[in-house]
Amino acid sequence: AQSVTQPDIHITVSEGASLELRCNYSYGATPYLFWYVQSPGQGLQLLLKYFSGDTLVQGIKGFEAEFKRSQSSFNLRKPSVHWSDAAEYFCAVGLDDYKLSFGAGTTVTVRA
Amino acid sequence: NAGVTQTPKFQVLKTGQSMTLQCAQDMNHNSMYWYRQDPGMGLRLIYYSASEGTTDKGEVPNGYNVSRLNKREFSLRLESAAPSQTSVYFCASSEVGVGYTFGSGTRLTVV
Repeated sequence: AQSVTQPDIHITVSEGASLELRCNYSYGATPYLFWYVQSPGQGLQLLLKYFSGDTLVQGIKGFEAEFKRSQSSFNLRKPSVHWSDAAEYFCAVGLDDYKLSFGAGTTVTVRA
Repeated sequence: NAGVTQTPKFQVLKTGQSMTLQCAQDMNHNSMYWYRQDPGMGLRLIYYSASEGTTDKGEVPNGYNVSRLNKREFSLRLESAAPSQTSVYFCASSEVGVGYTFGSGTRLTVV
């Protein structure tokens, strides 16, 4: 069975500081991995996705994620956070753009 | 604008009432989904449709039914609403190599 774990429910970070969101997954085959962002009252927007190749993936809005097969992890990072990055972030796993399973989400608060 | 349109945006039901949530996409995607979002639980898949004419149960299908009316439309029906179905419901569509597109959600309260 596939599953996604996001260990951190809520993270508070200062504007300009770095951010790292953790994601661990369990999947029977080699999965596609995704990070989505949800602003308040909105649907989800894709930040980046990974299937194969370079284990460091660049996404939109200055985000990147690193795939580590040995740790079954796909952590999201941003070197310098902006106030507009305050949102909820979801890690997801599945087949290529099909039938994704989502983690519980991490809420990011940015303080001035 | 191209995308996924959900109606209604807000709804309050009494326990036992029925309703249908509507979803339409205009991107010619083959696959469509219904998820529910609850605090601390992320998005959980209720039903999905891999292509026109097919539907399958997801992780939490009990209490729901779906209809893939055509390639564009995928509706979710609650036959007898219960307070446990209070949630935010998202419709999405996807195509391999293109990605998922989500609707803006329906906030449903069952009293």
